Amino acid sequence: QKEVEQDPGPLSVPEGAIVSLNCTYSNSAFQYFMWYRQYSRKGPELLMYTYSSGNKEDGRFTAQVDKSSKYISLFIRDSQPSDSATYLCAMSPTGGGNKLTFGTGTQLKVEL
Amino acid sequence: GAVVSQHPSRVICKSGTSVKIECRSLDFQATTMFWYRQFPKQSLMLMATSNEGSKATYEQGVEKDKFLINHASLTLSTLTVTSAHPEDSSFYICSASVAGGGSEQFFGPGTRLTVL
Repeated sequence: QKEVEQDPGPLSVPEGAIVSLNCTYSNSAFQYFMWYRQYSRKGPELLMYTYSSGNKEDGRFTAQVDKSSKYISLFIRDSQPSDSATYLCAMSPTGGGNKLTFGTGTQLKVEL
Repeated sequence: GAVVSQHPSRVICKSGTSVKIECRSLDFQATTMFWYRQFPKQSLMLMATSNEGSKATYEQGVEKDKFLINHASLTLSTLTVTSAHPEDSSFYICSASVAGGGSEQFFGPGTRLTVL
């Protein structure tokens, strides 16, 4: 069993839809949770960074962490074609600047 | 924001040759740099962690004699794939973070290696 599980998709939604992306994990030591966006043939860029359980909102993006269920989510509101990318969850016991364990990534396509 | 560059962005080489990939932090000093490889439609797999002036720490299953990592300065780390073979073809990505780990590591744009 992988430490971090993520549905690879692809996920196709119409423009304006609310997108829900999820990851589950097995290592209870993970305390820091991140969502990265990766465009084709590019490096990942950090979207959201959260510590422990709870919600965090930034513009159209909301990250949720439920440590009791070992489950994290990323919601994208009013999705745009420019949101089309692969979304990777990542986790660490000690902080985002240290060793990260990534999910496989979910490929998202937002269609006009 | 912090910028990390990689060079080259793409390289094609013959089997048996060695290839060097550079990773630079352009506007900050990176005490720690990470090297990942990514196969198509798969996640980033950490290969090694390097701290400036120290030997790299390799992940289990990564051959340290094949993937040579040098972190000679606070702004430059290199990955050399020695005696490359077609199975080494992949997307190699570096990232960099500041002292103490902090909250973020900054990723380079990646290098596409194709071994013929």
